[in-house]
Amino acid sequence: SAVISQKPSRDICQRGTSLTIQCQVDSQVTMMFWYRQQPGQSLTLIATANQGSEATYESGFVIDKFPISRPNLTFSTLTVSNMSPEDSSIYLCSVEDRQLAGVEQFFGPGTRLTVL
Amino acid sequence: GNSVTQMEGPVTLSEEAFLTINCTYTATGYPSLFWYVQYPGEGLQLLLKATKADDKGSNKGFEATYRKETTSFHLEKGSVQVSDSAVYFCALSDQGTNAGKSTFGDGTTLTVKP
Repeated sequence: SAVISQKPSRDICQRGTSLTIQCQVDSQVTMMFWYRQQPGQSLTLIATANQGSEATYESGFVIDKFPISRPNLTFSTLTVSNMSPEDSSIYLCSVEDRQLAGVEQFFGPGTRLTVL
Repeated sequence: GNSVTQMEGPVTLSEEAFLTINCTYTATGYPSLFWYVQYPGEGLQLLLKATKADDKGSNKGFEATYRKETTSFHLEKGSVQVSDSAVYFCALSDQGTNAGKSTFGDGTTLTVKP
């Protein structure tokens, strides 16, 4: 199994500013994923981050708004740029672990972002 | 594309009642199926999973069976406790190269009263 930590755990930010969220995994993984969970809603995949290449964004998400870095196999960052109150969400980092019994996905504890 | 439809909540039960949360899915391939639980103020945790037809995932008294013919993965528990109060998410992921890209249902909030 993978143990994932995120920083910060929560933050309150002003409109128009940017916040960078860090995700650290205790083992080397090829693919890391960033999800968003808006208040009272389900999880939505933002992008997939592979080490050494640009992130792949899902429909509705763009690099200018959510730039992602993946400098090595255990670390990734997600920046929420030019924030507005609509960006208030929980942002979760995730990795997949391929096992003989199939694939299992592990999630970080999340970063709870409030934009005023 | 893939999609997951969960029974709408919220669900309120008395302690020791029987729980069913329905989940059906649409997938282009042969997915793995999951139930996740999110306790108040905490992160997402894997509750159980199944990777092929007729597999039964189980954990903490919860069970769900992968039914390919009805494309369903309903969550059940015979006797719920107050500590089971949480939000439950049904999810699927492909078993191929997109395995980490999960599709989630909208979540069902369960409240168990003493």
